Amino acid sequence: AQSVAQPEDQVNVAEGNPLTVKCTYSVSGNPYLFWYVQYPNRGLQFLLKYITGDNLVKGSYGFEAEFNKSQTSFHLKKPSALVSDSALYFCAVRVPSGNTPLVFGKGTRLSVIA
Amino acid sequence: DGGITQSPKYLFRKEGQNVTLSCEQNLNHDAMYWYRQDPGQGLRLIYYSQIVNDFQKGDIAEGYSVSREKKESFPLTVTSAQKNPTAFYLCASKSSGGSDTQYFGPGTRLTVL
Repeated sequence: AQSVAQPEDQVNVAEGNPLTVKCTYSVSGNPYLFWYVQYPNRGLQFLLKYITGDNLVKGSYGFEAEFNKSQTSFHLKKPSALVSDSALYFCAVRVPSGNTPLVFGKGTRLSVIA
Repeated sequence: DGGITQSPKYLFRKEGQNVTLSCEQNLNHDAMYWYRQDPGQGLRLIYYSQIVNDFQKGDIAEGYSVSREKKESFPLTVTSAQKNPTAFYLCASKSSGGSDTQYFGPGTRLTVL
């Protein structure tokens, strides 16, 4: 069975500082990994994904994530946080098989303080 | 939110009533999904459909029903058998490519009075 863990419910960071939102996963075989962001009362917006190839994936709004197979992690990072990055972030995983649904972590709320 | 629409945005229902949430997509995606979001619990899969006239139960299908008569549409009915239906409901769709991204609609917030 697939599963995702986001160990931090809340992450606080000062504006301009680097941010990291952690994600670890469990899946049989090679994973497809995704990050989404959600603003209040909105749907999820896709940020980036890892399918294969380069372990460092770059996405929207200056975000990036690093796939680490040995640690089964896919942490989301940004070099310099903005107040507007404050939102709920979800990591998700699925196996590379057809239209298997994504399995989501419980989410991490990011607060960027001016 | 792309080409996925959900209606209504807010929905109120009395206990014991069935209610249907709409999800339409114009992305020509084969697969569609319904998730439920509750605070602190992330997203949980209710039902999904990989093709017209076919659908599968997700992790929390009890008290819900779906249909997939058209490629563009995947309505979700919350029945009176669902014990705690107050939640934010999200619809998503995806094309058939194995690595393709799942895209989400704007959501419907259902409140049972």
